[in-house]
Amino acid sequence: ETGVTQTPRHLVMGMTNKKSLKCEQHLGHNAMYWYKQSAKKPLELMFVYNFKEQTENNSVPSRFSPECPNSSHLFLHLHTLQPEDSALYLCASSQGTSGGPTDTQYFGPGTRLTVL
Amino acid sequence: GQNIDQPTEMTATEGAIVQINCTYQTSGFNGLFWYQQHAGEAPTFLSYNVLDGLEEKGRFSSFLSRSKGYSYLLLKELQMKDSASYLCAGLDSNYQLIWGAGTKLIIKP
Repeated sequence: ETGVTQTPRHLVMGMTNKKSLKCEQHLGHNAMYWYKQSAKKPLELMFVYNFKEQTENNSVPSRFSPECPNSSHLFLHLHTLQPEDSALYLCASSQGTSGGPTDTQYFGPGTRLTVL
Repeated sequence: GQNIDQPTEMTATEGAIVQINCTYQTSGFNGLFWYQQHAGEAPTFLSYNVLDGLEEKGRFSSFLSRSKGYSYLLLKELQMKDSASYLCAGLDSNYQLIWGAGTKLIIKP
């Protein structure tokens, strides 16, 4: 039982489409994350929000746009993606971001994205 | 640069013991995490170590040596359901997790 939900679970989109991924955490955490997971590669951190403020943006292309309206919700808006953006997109949350076990991240089930 | 190294794949027998190693190089160090990820599912938290030594949690144990930049995950009494990928991640001085590519563990009857 993760306490982090993501929708949709699967998404197929064309390169000219605009779509959004949604993440919601029910754990009362203060930090939320977006990751990209490609086969046989390490998880790639994309964005970090702490108390609704974006604290990290790891050189992610502008075709990915995050939004964090409150500490429980996180969106990833997608626009004019490329086929190489096809991957599993994972959302996670943690209680804090200042070291120690409170930094333990809890993950949602992910959105499997395919860009045609 | 920052780096986490772990074997790509390991095979073990049901009922046996397996040790998955992880070496890390991070800018600063604020702890090491192990996660389990079954195919098509989310990673789930297994353990966190920040001090040297062994932390035991049921059939799973995790060890850390800060001086060697080394950790391992020990799985005892292996069950078929333990077939999964095991991810090692180090928490750096900016409190960001640096992830390994994962070790796929295959359990054979």
